[in-house]
Amino acid sequence: GESVGLHLPTLSVQEGDNSIINCAYSNSASDYFIWYKQESGKGPQFIIDIRSNMDKRQGQRVTVLLNKTVKHLSLQIAATQPGDSAVYFCAENSPNSGYALNFGKGTSLLVTP
Amino acid sequence: SQTIHQWPATLVQPVGSPLSLECTVEGTSNPNLYWYRQAAGRGLQLLFYSVGIGQISSEVPQNLSASRPQDRQFILSSKKLLLSDSGFYLCAWSGLAGGKGEQYFGPGTRLTVT
Repeated sequence: GESVGLHLPTLSVQEGDNSIINCAYSNSASDYFIWYKQESGKGPQFIIDIRSNMDKRQGQRVTVLLNKTVKHLSLQIAATQPGDSAVYFCAENSPNSGYALNFGKGTSLLVTP
Repeated sequence: SQTIHQWPATLVQPVGSPLSLECTVEGTSNPNLYWYRQAAGRGLQLLFYSVGIGQISSEVPQNLSASRPQDRQFILSSKKLLLSDSGFYLCAWSGLAGGKGEQYFGPGTRLTVT
């Protein structure tokens, strides 16, 4: 079946550096993508989303890039802070998946001082 | 502003016992409601969603069921729990049709079946 996966299960960065978390998807019909941050023991928190008619979207300290040619999605976090330490999930939706968001397994981001 | 509540926060239940998890949303009307399960170290799996009172769609066959007795109340139930039902259960709501739009998650319920 279709899947959403992440290149790296863990990522360690120094405080102040930029972080890049990658995500590959396999469904070429996917037209909506979303990033969530989940801290230990808590529910996921929305970060940013992007539709397939865009290739870049910026938020506060975060940028999502979408490359539909290679079916790749990335989340860039500028000036990473200790509070950014969490597990990051990408998820996608396609026209034939109805209400379901298909989540990847997640990348653990650890920010060291 | 909108808020979403789940309870209980943690639950330990023996195999074969019943289950009832509750989710309520405040500050919005006619939300789409979702139940997800998250196994340890895994992503989220959609179990059920609801677009209105009494309207439930199941994504994964299992021994769980869901009900929506009121507009902003979503309940996850089981008559007999299995060990494999252990996990972190998350309720979410969204205000947009279909899967195109942010889903806002509650704090979750940690269920351990012993």
